[in-house]
Amino acid sequence: QSVLTQPPSASETPGQRVTISCSGSSSNIGSYPVNWYQLLPGAAPKLLIYASDQRPSGVPDRFSGSRSGTSASLAISGLQSEDEADYYCSAWDDSLSALVFGGGTKVTVL
Amino acid sequence: QVQLQESGPGLVKPSETLSLTCNVSGYSISDGYFWGWIRQPPGKGLEWLGHIYESGTTYFNPSLRSRLTLSVDTSKNQLSLKLSYVTAADTAVHYCARIARYCSGINCFRIDFWGQGTLVTVSS
Repeated sequence: QSVLTQPPSASETPGQRVTISCSGSSSNIGSYPVNWYQLLPGAAPKLLIYASDQRPSGVPDRFSGSRSGTSASLAISGLQSEDEADYYCSAWDDSLSALVFGGGTKVTVL
Repeated sequence: QVQLQESGPGLVKPSETLSLTCNVSGYSISDGYFWGWIRQPPGKGLEWLGHIYESGTTYFNPSLRSRLTLSVDTSKNQLSLKLSYVTAADTAVHYCARIARYCSGINCFRIDFWGQGTLVTVSS
């Protein structure tokens, strides 16, 4: 059971927008910024969003993040087949004194 | 470009110590940042193990603290992980990573570069 809660899967057709939620508590998302990671099979994981809504250099602006209260979300607009991957949210948790992750969301491009 | 490559035995016996090394290229460990490890058991999500600054400051996952040793070798530009008394539950793909603290005063960390990961299986 992960500390941060994500839906196990999400899907949409190419060109559409998909949103992934990440739910936490006051000891993690409610107090700390959220990061998002993309895991593609056979590739090194990649940082997509940090500080809840900031994109590292090189990440397309199709990817966007937001945070409100104890929840965060990642949106992928203009969905492409190459976006099929697992996505994980992460934040520091004060109660656990640990960096915690969500359970991951598998995005399928229909 | 920062690159990280994990190496070590792919099979470890129960109750023994899992040892992995990560070679870093494209960046000098002694120039800053934290360096750490994350794992992913088969079919499961990511789990942070811990990270270390070259000065020795460390953050450990409390659930693994008693079994985990992290170190950096700046002369070889490597980081190492040792996890003692392993069980089948420690079977996972292990990733090494460069970790940045990107805000002051609180614990906000982002994992900005990852290795490709190496599978370690615990089995007799």
